[in-house]
Amino acid sequence: QVTLRESGPALVKPTQTLTLTCAFSGFSLSTSGMCVSWIRQAPGKALEWLALIDWDDDTYYSTSLKTRLTISKDTSKNQVVLTMTNVDPVDTATYYCARIFKFFCSSDSCYVAGFDPWGQGIRVTVSS
Amino acid sequence: QSVLTQPPSVSAAPGQKVTISCSGSSSNIGNNYVSWYQQLPGTAPKLLIYDNNHRPSGIPDRFSGSKSGTSATLGITGLQTGDEADYYCATWDTSLSAGVFGGGTKLTVL
Repeated sequence: QVTLRESGPALVKPTQTLTLTCAFSGFSLSTSGMCVSWIRQAPGKALEWLALIDWDDDTYYSTSLKTRLTISKDTSKNQVVLTMTNVDPVDTATYYCARIFKFFCSSDSCYVAGFDPWGQGIRVTVSS
Repeated sequence: QSVLTQPPSVSAAPGQKVTISCSGSSSNIGNNYVSWYQQLPGTAPKLLIYDNNHRPSGIPDRFSGSKSGTSATLGITGLQTGDEADYYCATWDTSLSAGVFGGGTKLTVL
């Protein structure tokens, strides 16, 4: 059974750095084609894709947040970490991590099978 | 403003059929696979459709997906009150080299 669980602070002050951890089980991030992605959802808003790290340590980021995000993995611990610098109240959201069960990139584009499953999400509030 | 465009809301009566559209461009839907997600109130999204029209195990065949050109469609037949949820499409955008989601569609089963 594949499971993911997000952890991190529930409250962060503006300008601080937010660090979120996704602990997963039931699959290995060293398996070809496997990857983990972060997605967030502000209150009452749509899903917003943030970042992805694949089995080969390649990383991809939202163009609008690229300068503030870093995604990394610890394969031995089955964890993926997302850091977001200089947070602002607009970053208040529920943050989800999700597995992508098949992911490949060519010189032209990337194939993403789907985000499945998702963690339960962690609600993060940015406020002073 | 989402890269993929979905209608904000759709509604239909129990037992009826509904379709939800997802419109994009050649840099995303036109040249990549589409997936669909159901988000019930207060819960994490769940994968309904991947690779445009494939259902993961456990997803009933009342849910279907299709793609034509730069648009994709989610179909739900035999609507039940338990289908009331927000539905999202997603794909990869080649120009952005990033994942993208639609703005979401709220389904009301009257």
